[in-house]
Amino acid sequence: AQSVTQLDSQVPVFEEAPVELRCNYSSSVSVYLFWYVQYPNQGLQLLLKYLSGSTLVKGINGFEAEFNKSQTSFHLRKPSVHISDTAEYFCAVSGPQGGSEKLVFGKGTKLTVNP
Amino acid sequence: DAGVIQSPRHEVTEMGQEVTLRCKPISGHNSLFWYRQTMMRGLELLIYFNNNVPIDDSGMPEDRFSAKMPNASFSTLKIQPSEPRDSAVYFCASSPRTGLGEKLFFGSGTQLSVL
Repeated sequence: AQSVTQLDSQVPVFEEAPVELRCNYSSSVSVYLFWYVQYPNQGLQLLLKYLSGSTLVKGINGFEAEFNKSQTSFHLRKPSVHISDTAEYFCAVSGPQGGSEKLVFGKGTKLTVNP
Repeated sequence: DAGVIQSPRHEVTEMGQEVTLRCKPISGHNSLFWYRQTMMRGLELLIYFNNNVPIDDSGMPEDRFSAKMPNASFSTLKIQPSEPRDSAVYFCASSPRTGLGEKLFFGSGTQLSVL
């Protein structure tokens, strides 16, 4: 069974600083990886996804993530954050045995951007 | 499109009462998912439907929980009787289909408090 570990439950940063939100997955087979974002009082929205091809994936709002198979990681990065990036970020994984119906989410990382 | 619509946004009820949560998926989406979000367990899939048919309800915690999808534009999640430990945010999500890499579209959730 697949699992996802988000190593930091909370990440506080200052505006315009770079940020990295860490995600590690556990799977013995090929996986598909996702980052979703949840703004306050809203549902989750897809930020980006990795299915195959280039290991560097670019998403919306200036975020990007890099798939590292040897380290089983899919860390999310942004070079300069804004106040509006304050939200909770969820890493998720699915595998070749299933698609969206087999999506497993991490517990989330709360990003707080301070002025 | 208005997106996935859930009602009510907030529900406060007393232990033992019946609770019904409602969801209208995006028109044309064939897959519908019910998730529960808690601090302790994160985001958990309760049940999902394909073409109005329940496919996997293994995530439904107990017989007190039931879900229906009478047509392509409406689904309900019912808890009877409710208990304080059911307090959580319940999300409905839809997607065009279940498949590798499919994006989920989430509603804004129903915040349920059982006193």
